Amino acid sequence: AQSVTQPDIHITVSEGASLELRCNYSYGATPYLFWYVQSPGQGLQLLLKYFSGDTLVQGIKGFEAEFKRSQSSFNLRKPSVHWSDAAEYFCAVVVSAGKSTFGDGTTLTVKP
Amino acid sequence: GAGVSQSPRYKVAKRGQDVALRCDPISGHVSLFWYQQALGQGPEFLTYFQNEAQLDKSGLPSDRFFAERPEGSVSTLKIQRTQQEDSAVYLCASSSGLAGGTHTSTDTQYFGPGTRLTVL
Repeated sequence: AQSVTQPDIHITVSEGASLELRCNYSYGATPYLFWYVQSPGQGLQLLLKYFSGDTLVQGIKGFEAEFKRSQSSFNLRKPSVHWSDAAEYFCAVVVSAGKSTFGDGTTLTVKP
Repeated sequence: GAGVSQSPRYKVAKRGQDVALRCDPISGHVSLFWYQQALGQGPEFLTYFQNEAQLDKSGLPSDRFFAERPEGSVSTLKIQRTQQEDSAVYLCASSSGLAGGTHTSTDTQYFGPGTRLTVL
């Protein structure tokens, strides 16, 4: 069965610093991969998705992610973090007809 | 128009009570999904609909959970005889795509704010 692992439960970065959130997946075929952000009291918002083509994908709010098949990873990056980026981030894989499997999330804290 | 809405936003139930959670998807969206998000965890798939047809209910944890979408728009998730382990946030999402094949798998799912259910 497919699974998603986000190794970091909590990450703290200073405002303006770079960010990388890790995501590893387990799935036999080419996965469809997604990153979502969830702010308190809000639903999940899609940041970006990958399903084919260029392995470096650009998303909203200045985020990007790179698909590395050899490492079964889909890490999320941002070159300069803003205080408003503080939230919880979820990586997900879709394997059939929209049925998503999510990781347990990484909480990002931004220090001023 | 507006995004996905869910009601109520918060629900407190006594153990053994039945609850009904409502989801209003984005108008015209064919696919609708329900997820359960326990505290400190990611969302877990419960069920999904294409129009009024429930095509996958493999994630429903027990026969106490029932979902319907009779007219292909609004959906209701019903939990009978609630238990403490049912306490979670229930998320609804909709997407414009059709079930089957790769089309729906790559569609963007738009999530509602969720209903936080607390069972005492």
